[in-house]
Amino acid sequence: QVQLQQWGAGLLKPSETLSLTCALYGGSFSGYYWSWIRQSPGKRLEWIGEINHDEGTDYNPSLKSRVTMSIDSSKNQFSLKLRSMTAADAAVYYCARRAVRAFDIWGQGTMVTVSS
Amino acid sequence: QSALTQPASVSGSLGQSITISCTGSSSDLGNSNLVSWYQQHPGKAPKLIIYEGNKRHSGISHRFSGSKSGNTASLTISGLQTEDEAVYYCCSFAGFGSPWVFGGGTMLTVL
Repeated sequence: QVQLQQWGAGLLKPSETLSLTCALYGGSFSGYYWSWIRQSPGKRLEWIGEINHDEGTDYNPSLKSRVTMSIDSSKNQFSLKLRSMTAADAAVYYCARRAVRAFDIWGQGTMVTVSS
Repeated sequence: QSALTQPASVSGSLGQSITISCTGSSSDLGNSNLVSWYQQHPGKAPKLIIYEGNKRHSGISHRFSGSKSGNTASLTISGLQTEDEAVYYCCSFAGFGSPWVFGGGTMLTVL
C-alpha cells in the first residue's frame, strides 16, 4: 500500500524558511509527479508546485520566487522549501502524488503557523 | 490564476441525491478533461473520489458520479449516507504555467 508521510517544523517566525519533507512508502517515484498543496485557514486549497523523479519542477507562479523543491530517490523522499514566510503563508501543507490525472495519494498534512 | 467556483454549502436528506457544481472558464475547466473531485472529512487529508471528470477512483462507491458540460463540472451523490457529510473540492488542469486550480469547497450536510 502506497503511503506518504510528511514532517517538518510547524512554528516559524516571519521571514524564516519553511522546510518540509515527505517520505514515500510502498511505491516508486518513477512515472508520477510529487506535489505540495496547502490549505489556508479558510479551507481553500492551493497548488504550490511539483517535482518528478528526473528533478523537473513546476511551480505556482504566485510562489515561484520563494519555492524550491527537491527529490532524493535514494531515500524515497522529496522536500519543499518556502522562503520569507509571512502570516499569509500559514496553512496546512500537504504532500501528494499526482498520477497524471489527479492527486491520488496524500500525506497526513502539517499545520504551519507563522508568528513572531 | 483564478480559482474554480463552488457553492459554499449544500444539504440533502438521508437516501436522497444532491449535485455540487464547479464552475471555471474556457482557460481551465472548460478546456480540460482533467477534472477531479476530492472529499475531505474534518482533520483529514483530501481523498480522491472522481478523476477525468467522470471516472471513479479505486474503491469509491457507485453512488458517486461526475460529469462536465462546458465550463461547469458536477458531482452527484445518490443515496446520501451520514458518512458522506464532508467538504467536497473540485480541481482542474488550467494549462501550462500554473497547471492546477481548486474550487473553494462545498460543505455537504446530510439531514
